[in-house]
Amino acid sequence: GENVEQHPSTLSVQEGDSAVIKCTYSDSASNYFPWYKQELGKGPQLIIDIRSNVGEKKDQRIAVTLNKTAKHFSLHITETQPEDSAVYFCAASIRTGANSKLTFGKGITLSVRP
Amino acid sequence: DSGVTQTPKHLITATGQRVTLRCSPRSGDLSVYWYQQSLDQGLQFLIQYYNGEERAKGNILERFSAQQFPDLHSELNLSSLELGDSALYFCASSDQMHNEQFFGPGTRLTVL
Repeated sequence: GENVEQHPSTLSVQEGDSAVIKCTYSDSASNYFPWYKQELGKGPQLIIDIRSNVGEKKDQRIAVTLNKTAKHFSLHITETQPEDSAVYFCAASIRTGANSKLTFGKGITLSVRP
Repeated sequence: DSGVTQTPKHLITATGQRVTLRCSPRSGDLSVYWYQQSLDQGLQFLIQYYNGEERAKGNILERFSAQQFPDLHSELNLSSLELGDSALYFCASSDQMHNEQFFGPGTRLTVL
């Protein structure tokens, strides 16, 4: 089955700096890659996603890039703010019709220092 | 707020007991997914239902079962509970067109 690895496991940045979180996946058939942000005591929140027919997607301060050849994708957060501090999960899935079970990475704890 | 609701928020029970977790998907979403989140295993997919029918199964124990009702809400039943079943249980829903999954706030299960 699919295996998603996420690294590093923790990341600390200064407010205003950029943060990059990387994930690798194992199944070349995976075609959908979402990123989730989870704050303490809350459920995962979808922040951005990318499909395999696209190399890059941007939404304000966040962007995701996908390298299908190398089977890795990355989340980029620019101009980080303290409220960006949370656990971030990457995931991968093979979307077929109404099926799209997600395989998650272990998560990374991002700390933004004021 | 994702629009997905889950009850109860917290559940404390004893080993050997049975509990039922409830999920209401976003309005219009036909798919419901259940995930288990624990410190050692991370977020693990358990099972998916689409419009009342089981569609995909993950690492779900035989002691666990789920169903989706005609009004599209779903229930996850956990029986013969063990200490290791203590975890956060999340429900997510998606529509047929886009398939993005939106998660509920979760149920924290503690087995004593």
